[in-house]
Amino acid sequence: DAGVIQSPRHEVTEMGQEVTLRCKPISGHNSLFWYRQTMMRGLELLIYFNNNVPIDDSGMPEDRFSAKMPNASFSTLKIQPSEPRDSAVYFCASSLSGRTGELFFGEGSRLTVL
Amino acid sequence: QQQVKQSPQSLIVQKGGISIINCAYENTAFDYFPWYQQFPGKGPALLIAIRPDVSEKKEGRFTISFNKSAKQFSLHIMDSQPGDSATYFCAASMTNDKLIFGTGTRLQVFP
Repeated sequence: DAGVIQSPRHEVTEMGQEVTLRCKPISGHNSLFWYRQTMMRGLELLIYFNNNVPIDDSGMPEDRFSAKMPNASFSTLKIQPSEPRDSAVYFCASSLSGRTGELFFGEGSRLTVL
Repeated sequence: QQQVKQSPQSLIVQKGGISIINCAYENTAFDYFPWYQQFPGKGPALLIAIRPDVSEKKEGRFTISFNKSAKQFSLHIMDSQPGDSATYFCAASMTNDKLIFGTGTRLQVFP
């Protein structure tokens, strides 16, 4: 079975540019999470969706960040405009609602903003 | 109150030794405590998990010890192997699936 699929795996962009990260969750999973990982702050939850509806976006750093889940098989995380401090690895994870804590992570998208 | 505090930040163990990583939490509403393992270039993967109704759970060389009164839990890796070298994250959640992660422990096991 395919796991969580993220794209791109690596993105290098210049400050001010728009960045879009994509995620395909595991088929049948109805919860989706976006995490950001940095050396300084570890794994931070940015936002999570349940049945395509955003449940908690309190971790989204600021208005430059937005996330959508138009259907059960696709989600995007957009940063506009990007800044050097956004450089991090962004992970998408999915789970079956009701199986608390059992998240399945993708391999991440490493973002570098110059 | 939502934080999970993890220590140490890094750990070096000789092959065959015991690796111990500790975590502490404040929110008594947490009811699920997993540990995730992350290899370089990969996403974290669930290693072992425990609920507060038991004090210990063992799976192979990996054991979680849970102290509800102290609000602490730990991961013990017995007979540590070089292949165990990875970053380990403790986490905690309530029933709404929101996982809060600790800051991670980088484990290096030398032959």
